[in-house]
Amino acid sequence: GAGVSQSPRYKVAKRGQDVALRCDPISGHVSLFWYQQALGQGPEFLTYFQNEAQLDKSGLPSDRFFAERPEGSVSTLKIQRTQQEDSAVYLCASSLARGDQPQHFGDGTRLSIL
Amino acid sequence: GESVGLHLPTLSVQEGDNSIINCAYSNSASDYFIWYKQESGKGPQFIIDIRSNMDKRQGQRVTVLLNKTVKHLSLQIAATQPGDSAVYFCAEVGNRDDKIIFGKGTRLHILP
Repeated sequence: GAGVSQSPRYKVAKRGQDVALRCDPISGHVSLFWYQQALGQGPEFLTYFQNEAQLDKSGLPSDRFFAERPEGSVSTLKIQRTQQEDSAVYLCASSLARGDQPQHFGDGTRLSIL
Repeated sequence: GESVGLHLPTLSVQEGDNSIINCAYSNSASDYFIWYKQESGKGPQFIIDIRSNMDKRQGQRVTVLLNKTVKHLSLQIAATQPGDSAVYFCAEVGNRDDKIIFGKGTRLHILP
């Protein structure tokens, strides 16, 4: 069956450029999460949506990071004025409802900032 | 694809032997624990979970043990196969929110 889909799979950008990463969660899943995974590390929480409401954005590293989910399905993570330390894999996960576990992960977008 | 965990601790196990991967978690208030498997270029894949009111749970070829006294979690894989090669992460979920807190991963390397 269809899982969590992320695009693009790879993104290369020059420092200072803006990037947008897309996540298509599993159909019907209410909860959506974004995580950042640096090389050699475990994923770290960025932000959480329940439907279109962003309930927790405590993990966003700076105000250059912005996430949205306007219709409660597809979500976009935007990074403005990218910096080299933004280079990482960005993972999206979804779950059926709030409190439902486990979360189902996509394969991520690998972002490289030159 | 690029390796997920170039600098992670590595456990090397002979094919057919049992593997034990250990993890220390941080939050005594966490009430749900998960083991994820991550292959190179892929997202984390759920293996098995356990709630804090249990100390052992078995799946197919895998067993998770939870020791809340010392905040320790372990994953046992029976009869390790080449397809088990991956990075394994333990993770905890608090009782107040849904976000997953991942531990340090361990790379499992299968020797022929």
